[in-house]
Amino acid sequence: QKEVEQNSGPLSVPEGAIASLNCTYSDRGSQSFFWYRQYSGKSPELIMFIYSNGDKEDGRFTAQLNKASQYVSLLIRDSQPSDSATYLCAVYSGGGADGLTFGKGTHLIIQP
Amino acid sequence: GAVVSQHPSWVICKSGTSVKIECRSLDFQATTMFWYRQFPKQSLMLMATSNEGSKATYEQGVEKDKFLINHASLTLSTLTVTSAHPEDSSFYICSAGDLIGQFFGPGTRLTVL
Repeated sequence: QKEVEQNSGPLSVPEGAIASLNCTYSDRGSQSFFWYRQYSGKSPELIMFIYSNGDKEDGRFTAQLNKASQYVSLLIRDSQPSDSATYLCAVYSGGGADGLTFGKGTHLIIQP
Repeated sequence: GAVVSQHPSWVICKSGTSVKIECRSLDFQATTMFWYRQFPKQSLMLMATSNEGSKATYEQGVEKDKFLINHASLTLSTLTVTSAHPEDSSFYICSAGDLIGQFFGPGTRLTVL
């Protein structure tokens, strides 16, 4: 069974610091990895995706992937209070019409 | 990214009535769409996978006769909650994907009185 694990938090980070969110997955054949942000009462919003080992940067966000360790992370630099949300890690393992496997999410709080 | 819309954004209904929720992919064709449910302060739960032109695939524990899914075209999937009861009150979210990931609709908040 495919599993995606995240620490539920809450993870509290001071404003301006780096927030580090972590995710592990069980299916070694997983191909694509996604980070979604979900504000309370809203639907998830895709913020980053990564396919290859290493780092991928987009503005203040950096996704890191280590397939050997089956580990993916999201770094948020210069954290802002507006970054406070639940961050969902999702993994795609292929299989045509299969959906993503989601973690339960990490609740991030940026303290002003 | 791709745009997915849902209608209605919220609905309040009486117990025993049926409610239809529409999910549309606006700028791409989606042979597969997904329906999720999320209760307050809980994680997303995949209910079913909607396949264009064929029957939906339901997750374990989801009643297919209660949650009717129709995916009649490449841009539209509908979820009908039949004979809704208060315990069906939840946030229903659809998603559809393209090459770079799944994109979620804005969700439909269902309240059953």
